[in-house]
This record gives sequence, structure tokens and C-alpha cells, in this order.
Amino acid sequence: GAVVSQHPSRVICKSGTSVKIECRSLDFQATTMFWYRQFPKQSLMLMATSNEGSKATYEQGVEKDKFLINHASLTLSTLTVTSAHPEDSSFYICSARKPGGNTIYFGEGSWLTVV
Amino acid sequence: SQQGEEDPQALSIQEGENATMNCSYKTSINNLQWYRQNSGRGLVHLILIRSNEREKHSGRLRVTLDTSKKSSSLLITASRAADTASYFCATDDSNAGKSTFGDGTTLTVKP
Repeated sequence: GAVVSQHPSRVICKSGTSVKIECRSLDFQATTMFWYRQFPKQSLMLMATSNEGSKATYEQGVEKDKFLINHASLTLSTLTVTSAHPEDSSFYICSARKPGGNTIYFGEGSWLTVV
Repeated sequence: SQQGEEDPQALSIQEGENATMNCSYKTSINNLQWYRQNSGRGLVHLILIRSNEREKHSGRLRVTLDTSKKSSSLLITASRAADTASYFCATDDSNAGKSTFGDGTTLTVKP
């Protein structure tokens, strides 16, 4: 079964509003989670690394004020797309590294549509 | 930049034929995973192969890993129309501590 869960799987929001996507590790504690974005008909690009209890590390070109990441607990990281615009419409997916097995598990992803 | 490169970018075959997709990467890895994504849907995990493994099977799927060549292949045997999807490899970079996706292969299986 799934070990990383994302919610919501699909969300539609109005332009100018903010939307939050949650990523949970279900049966393990994850000090590090990762957020990816997929543009239409393209692959998935790493946006940022979410670190529990500290600031996220953003990849070059990703606006940290636009994409707020909070990793307040060892099982939950959230990505908030602030002041969303239609060009933010995309597929967002998170992953978490499971301790011990040294394996990264991905959530199923969240489709965001900004209208 | 993307670590993984996949080829072909697009593959079209007849139902019943085998489909082979390849993934190349650049750094040392802990493991490599293959995912399927149907159009407009989320990622579905297919198989994980660890760096000390050379081949794994799961149903009609066969994955190979050649760490000396830094490449992996995904073979789908006896393809079905329902296998039509995009397939991505994701490498777990042992040095960087994060995963990188390949560009993906779009597979079309014609009934």
C-alpha cells in the first residue's frame, strides 16, 4: 500500500487565491521530503527540499515566496501556492525518504487547476 | 538539469508486442524506480531496483540495471492497449540525497 499520501488529488482554485497541498508519510517519520512539479507533457522537476524544523531548500528558479513549504512535523509537509495564477496549473508531487531502507517513496500527486 | 534521460521519447506498438524503454543517468545511485502515468493522472509505482541488483521481474514487467553503464531498461511483454501511458524512471542519487526523474517515454499500444 501507499506509504506517502498526498491531498487533495485534484483541486481547482480561483486566480489570486492560495491553495495548500499536503504530503504525509504514513508509517514512518521523514525528516526530509521533496516537492516536484510537472509541466504539461514534460517530466517532473524538483522544486524544493523540505526539511523538518527548518527552512526549505529551493531549486534555482523556484520562487520561495510563491511556493511556501512548511514541514512542521516528521510526517507532514505542506506546499502552499500563493496568489495562484493559471500558469501555476500543474501536477505537483511529493516524496519522502524512508529511514532504514534508504528508499524514496512518492505520493500519487496533486493536480492543480487555476481558473 | 535532469539526470535521467529516457529513450525513446515516444514508442508506438501493436497489442501483443513487447515494449522496451531505456533510462540513462549520470551519478551514483541507491536505487532506480520506474513509474507509469496515464494522461491526466498521478504516478503509479511499477518497480524498484536497487543498485546491487541487475534484474527484477514483476508480472509482465522486466527491469534491468547496469550500474557500469549507468542505464536501466523497462521491458513490458505482451503489451495491452491499457499499457498506453507515459513511463518515467526516477533515480535516487546517493550523493545528493534526492531523486531525479527521466524525461519519460510515451508508449502507445494500438489494439
